[in-house]
Amino acid sequence: RKEVEQDPGPFNVPEGATVAFNCTYSNSASQSFFWYRQDCRKEPKLLMSVYSSGNEDGRFTAQLNRASQYISLLIRDSKLSDSATYLCVVRKGGADGLTFGKGTHLIIQP
Amino acid sequence: DTEVTQTPKHLVMGMTNKKSLKCEQHMGHRAMYWYKQKAKKPPELMFVYSYEKLSINESVPSRFSPECPNSSLLNLHLHALQPEDSALYLCASSHHSVPHEQYFGPGTRLTVT
Repeated sequence: RKEVEQDPGPFNVPEGATVAFNCTYSNSASQSFFWYRQDCRKEPKLLMSVYSSGNEDGRFTAQLNRASQYISLLIRDSKLSDSATYLCVVRKGGADGLTFGKGTHLIIQP
Repeated sequence: DTEVTQTPKHLVMGMTNKKSLKCEQHMGHRAMYWYKQKAKKPPELMFVYSYEKLSINESVPSRFSPECPNSSLLNLHLHALQPEDSALYLCASSHHSVPHEQYFGPGTRLTVT
C-alpha cells in the first residue's frame, strides 16, 4: 500500500463550482498533515496545514480523520486561478521530511 | 517572509563535471531539506539537516553530497552524475515547532548530459 494515496484526476470543474479532494495515508504514526499546491514547473506552495478539528482559510476547508487515516480538501466558489496540482502531504514527526501523494490535477473551466 | 532562495535556477552539466547547488533562508528555521522531483512525479526526500547536522539520508548515492555550512545555508555538491539524475532539485526549510510547515525554494532544474 502506498504511503499517501490520492486520485490523480484530472478533475475538470466549471468556474464557481465546489470541488472536493480526498487522500488516505498508511502510517498511523504520522503527526502532521498538509495540502500543498503545485503549478506547472514551479515549487510546491503550502496551502494549509490540516487538523482534526477541521480548519478553514477563505474558500478552502481541510479536514483530518485520524481514525480512518483520511484527509480532505474542499474548495468552494472555484476560480480559474485554482487550476493546479494539489498534493496531499504527511510527516511522521519531528524534523522528518515530508511524504507526498502523487497529486490531484484540477482544471477549472470558464 | 517565507522565502527560500536557490541558485542556480538552471544547470546543465556533463557526467564528469563537479557542480554545487545552493540554498538560503533567513527565517530562522533550523531544519533544512533537499528533495528531488522528476517530471510528473511528487517530490522525494533526499536529505534532512537538523541544527546543521545531517539527520536523515534517504539512501542517496554518494555522487550527491550535502553540506550545511551554517543555519541559513544548505549546499548540494554534485559529482559524476548520470543522465537519470536530471530533475528539479528543491530545497525546503521549517521550524522545529509543530506542525513543522515546510517552505520550498523555486528549485534548480538540472540536466545531466
